[in-house]
Amino acid sequence: AQKITQTQPGMFVQEKEAVTLDCTYDTSDQSYGLFWYKQPSSGEMIFLIYQGSYDEQNATEGRYSLNFQKARKSANLVISASQLGDSAMYFCAMRVWNTDKLIFGTGTRLQVFP
Amino acid sequence: DTAVSQTPKYLVTQMGNDKSIKCEQNLGHDTMYWYKQDSKKFLKIMFSYNNKELIINETVPNRFSPKSPDKAHLNLHINSLELGDSAVYFCASSQRGRDNTEAFFGQGTRLTVV
Repeated sequence: AQKITQTQPGMFVQEKEAVTLDCTYDTSDQSYGLFWYKQPSSGEMIFLIYQGSYDEQNATEGRYSLNFQKARKSANLVISASQLGDSAMYFCAMRVWNTDKLIFGTGTRLQVFP
Repeated sequence: DTAVSQTPKYLVTQMGNDKSIKCEQNLGHDTMYWYKQDSKKFLKIMFSYNNKELIINETVPNRFSPKSPDKAHLNLHINSLELGDSAVYFCASSQRGRDNTEAFFGQGTRLTVV
């Protein structure tokens, strides 16, 4: 069975600092995709970044990068130069190849302070 | 211009009532979903439809009945509402067969059963 684990219920970071949000996953499939979503207090789900299981390089999107360690089955999100607007819930998710669903972790609440 | 739009955004209703949530996407995607986010922020898939055909039904009570009149619309009808149905319901869409494509989410419908 597929599973996503986010062990940090909450994280604090000072503005302009970098922060890493942890995500580990479990699947026996070889082909899968890993996603990170942001959910601000307004409630919408915002896609941040994607990493494919066969991608050799870590994904980056602006201030977001994904530290993908396949052997350890981890897909940590790194946010560089944190901003106050980064305060939100962050969800890691996985889609196994050719399935029709995203499996989500329990989320990490990030709070950025001045 | 909203990619995935769902209505209403808020829904307050009494136990025992029947209610519907509507969802429309203008992205040309062939797969649509309903997710439920509980009070602990956990997101779980309920249903997915591909080209109007039900693909996933995650052991949701049969009081919940999704309907997809065409591939751009996926509505959710709930009969005999119970207190435990209170949650945020998200509609989402994606393109099947492209595992690197993220799911786009609607803004959510906060359902409160009193």
